[in-house]
Amino acid sequence: ILNVEQSPQSLHVQEGDSTNFTCSFPSSNFYALHWYRWETAKSPEALFVMTLNGDEKKKGRISATLNTKEGYSYLYIKGSQPEDSATYLCAFERGNTGNQFYFGTGTSLTVIP
Amino acid sequence: DTAVSQTPKYLVTQMGNDKSIKCEQNLGHDTMYWYKQDSKKFLKIMFSYNNKELIINETVPNRFSPKSPDKAHLNLHINSLELGDSAVYFCASSPGPGQRFYGYTFGSGTRLTVV
Repeated sequence: ILNVEQSPQSLHVQEGDSTNFTCSFPSSNFYALHWYRWETAKSPEALFVMTLNGDEKKKGRISATLNTKEGYSYLYIKGSQPEDSATYLCAFERGNTGNQFYFGTGTSLTVIP
Repeated sequence: DTAVSQTPKYLVTQMGNDKSIKCEQNLGHDTMYWYKQDSKKFLKIMFSYNNKELIINETVPNRFSPKSPDKAHLNLHINSLELGDSAVYFCASSPGPGQRFYGYTFGSGTRLTVV
């Protein structure tokens, strides 16, 4: 069984607060780590793909870091806005599995105006 | 133009019926997937096809049968529907094993309710 865990499961923050959450994955046979943003009643939307230890990616107020040696990635949101409310999914792509992703259970973020 | 389209969006049916969900992608991708979102919102892989060939077949009841007439389509047929089959089913596609790091493009999901 391959475990990809995300924490916290849910999070409520005030508008303007910065926040972060974690994705933990196996440190062996790593190929890539993907982050998705999933709004209610929509389909998951790709945010980042990270492949190298120490990678940092940024898109607007959202950024992510990667540590493949210890098996974790952080997603940061700076100055949260109500439109950031969504579930943030990470997916671990293991080497030699031909694109098969192992999804975490997601972190549900609610930004309170 | 929707990149990955699933039909229908909602499906309500009685126990014991047979139903199909269709998925089509216009991205030229080689690989397509079916995922089931369970009650805890967890996405679990069911099947994956690469260029019409089955490459991932997770432990799902054999009442579920995928069919890929060509690489742009991956349909999911479910026989003898049970209450526990109620879930949201997502189709996804990716460029293929030779072109990684691109991630998946998901369809908008099909909410299946078995009554």
